[in-house]
Amino acid sequence: EPEVTQTPSHQVTQMGQEVILRCVPISNHLYFYWYRQILGQKVEFLVSFYNNEISEKSEIFDDQFSVERPDGSNFTLKIRSTKLEDSAMYFCASSEWQGEDEQFFGPGTRLTVL
Amino acid sequence: QKEVEQNSGPLSVPEGAIASLNCTYSDRGSQSFFWYRQYSGKSPELIMSIYSNGDKEDGRFTAQLNKASQYVSLLIRDSQPSDSATYLCAVNGVTGGGNKLTFGTGTQLKVEL
Repeated sequence: EPEVTQTPSHQVTQMGQEVILRCVPISNHLYFYWYRQILGQKVEFLVSFYNNEISEKSEIFDDQFSVERPDGSNFTLKIRSTKLEDSAMYFCASSEWQGEDEQFFGPGTRLTVL
Repeated sequence: QKEVEQNSGPLSVPEGAIASLNCTYSDRGSQSFFWYRQYSGKSPELIMSIYSNGDKEDGRFTAQLNKASQYVSLLIRDSQPSDSATYLCAVNGVTGGGNKLTFGTGTQLKVEL
């Protein structure tokens, strides 16, 4: 069964450093998303992406964040200058189309900022 | 502020019983409703989706939607210890064109032997 994959599973970085989290969405899906979950808190929407541009972004997704689809399979989230409060699980998700459709989540990347 | 509310639990049920999980949402424009299961340290796993009022059954799971009351529920029949997890209610209002899911905090379910 097709699934969303993410790398790395765990990323440790120093405050102020840049990190890139990588995702490979399900191959026939057209919509891609990033969510995050701080330990013990709810899953929060960051950004959605379709047709090589951002469809919607949350207040969390400020100028330090960016997303890119550098090739036909990868979807990346870049955090330019990490802060302690960026420590969280970051989940990539994809869906086949907009509207009444289901989002499937990858296993996540645990980001730890020291 | 669009909110999704769930009782955090824990909800404890004996093995073989029916577990009933509830969720309310604030945005009347919400179009799509989902239940995800999340084991500790893992990612959300989609269990059910529901888009119109009424019941939708899939195996041991039944989702119920009442848009007038802004209420979604999940019933798990014949609960098993492997069902012990946190169940997340998620709502998609399709506002802004971005297909954003808003999640509740989740209800922790414990199925006891």
